[in-house]
Amino acid sequence: DAGITQSPRHKVTETGTPVTLRCHQTENHRYMYWYRQDPGHGLRLIHYSYGVKDTDKGEVSDGYSVSRSKTEDFLLTLESATSSQTSVYFCAISVTSASEQFFGPGTRLTVL
Amino acid sequence: QKEVEQDPGPLSVPEGAIVSLNCTYSNSAFQYFMWYRQYSRKGPELLMYTYSSGNKEDGRFTAQVDKSSKYISLFIRDSQPSDSATYLCAMSVPNDYKLSFGAGTTVTVRA
Repeated sequence: DAGITQSPRHKVTETGTPVTLRCHQTENHRYMYWYRQDPGHGLRLIHYSYGVKDTDKGEVSDGYSVSRSKTEDFLLTLESATSSQTSVYFCAISVTSASEQFFGPGTRLTVL
Repeated sequence: QKEVEQDPGPLSVPEGAIVSLNCTYSNSAFQYFMWYRQYSRKGPELLMYTYSSGNKEDGRFTAQVDKSSKYISLFIRDSQPSDSATYLCAMSVPNDYKLSFGAGTTVTVRA
């Protein structure tokens, strides 16, 4: 998985609790992305980062926040998890904004 | 209408057959085209990356882009059971981080 790890790999939580997912890369790529994958919707971009402390929203950013304090780490936080955020979350990295993206192994999140 | 359309299948073929996958798109500004393979409960893995029109071959895989028809294809020759997976197309415009994905086609190669 191109030097990308995600933690945790599985998580079950309750509605209203905060959740933080971590993406860690060893490739020193500048760009990092968070996607969610749901049946019938494919992969949808939540947030992305184009450098340390530089982040922006994707198409489904409501209810999510991100932070990037180091090149290698990109955190996704659900401030107050809802059942609609039950999904599989993937982190991806790329060298430039236009180059191919490489994906991590995913985190399966269930919000009860 | 979705920006990228991909038939979800499922597609079932016998071992050794040619698998033909395709996507259509509506944004004529797309210049970069990708195919990803995703095994069950795994992350998408980049298979092919092409720029603009034409063909690209890599082993048993051939990617074709027809920009005049807004149509891309992936062919898998001599398919193997290990090719059983979901195949996702993706595309982007120049100098843009945003990838537009198809919904994915699930392929099963029967031994």
